[in-house]
Amino acid sequence: GAGVSQTPSNKVTEKGKYVELRCDPISGHTALYWYRQSLGQGPEFLIYFQGTGAADDSGLPNDRFFAVRPEGSVSTLKIQRTERGDSAVYLCASSFTGVTEAFFGQGTRLTVV
Amino acid sequence: DAKTTQPPSMDCAEGRAANLPCNHSTISGNEYVYWYRQIHSQGPQYIIHGLKNNETNEMASLIITEDRKSSTLILPHATLRDTAVYYCIVRVATSGTYKYIFGTGTRLKVLA
Repeated sequence: GAGVSQTPSNKVTEKGKYVELRCDPISGHTALYWYRQSLGQGPEFLIYFQGTGAADDSGLPNDRFFAVRPEGSVSTLKIQRTERGDSAVYLCASSFTGVTEAFFGQGTRLTVV
Repeated sequence: DAKTTQPPSMDCAEGRAANLPCNHSTISGNEYVYWYRQIHSQGPQYIIHGLKNNETNEMASLIITEDRKSSTLILPHATLRDTAVYYCIVRVATSGTYKYIFGTGTRLKVLA
């Protein structure tokens, strides 16, 4: 694809619900990142995949957050029992390898009401 | 924790060079300096990166001090479309894993 694609672009959910956010990386990119950005802040690292495996998940804030990348391409970020504090823009990025520069998608704006 | 510090905001006149400073005094030997920018409501856009040598591409130049404790991003002829938040980032590499640690960035406003 032309770039990193994230769906949906906007998601409104009720407190306590489960949500899934999808990321389609650039074709051929083996490295994939998830970030979270709150208003007025820089993006905050959540998790890094190399291929199918989560090589670094140290940024996931708690066990309500989980991400998968079963075939080494598309990734899904899953949030259980959403809280109002989870409201943010969730950004996905991919790179050819972890060594090369990463390209970001437009993000999914999650609002928990 | 962010490994970089940047001024929160800067103004630049259209057509002039914009020089954006960054301090990264705790950078390690194998950590690269990356610059990204973010225009309102868009994802961060890659600009340039370097390890210890100065770098130039079609968008900008990156000047890294010899001790690697600071760097400057130069936009040679700023336009109104360069108004954005500019992030100076240290890319951390640990045992084959990589992550970009963002700070709060510099909000650059290009003035007509």
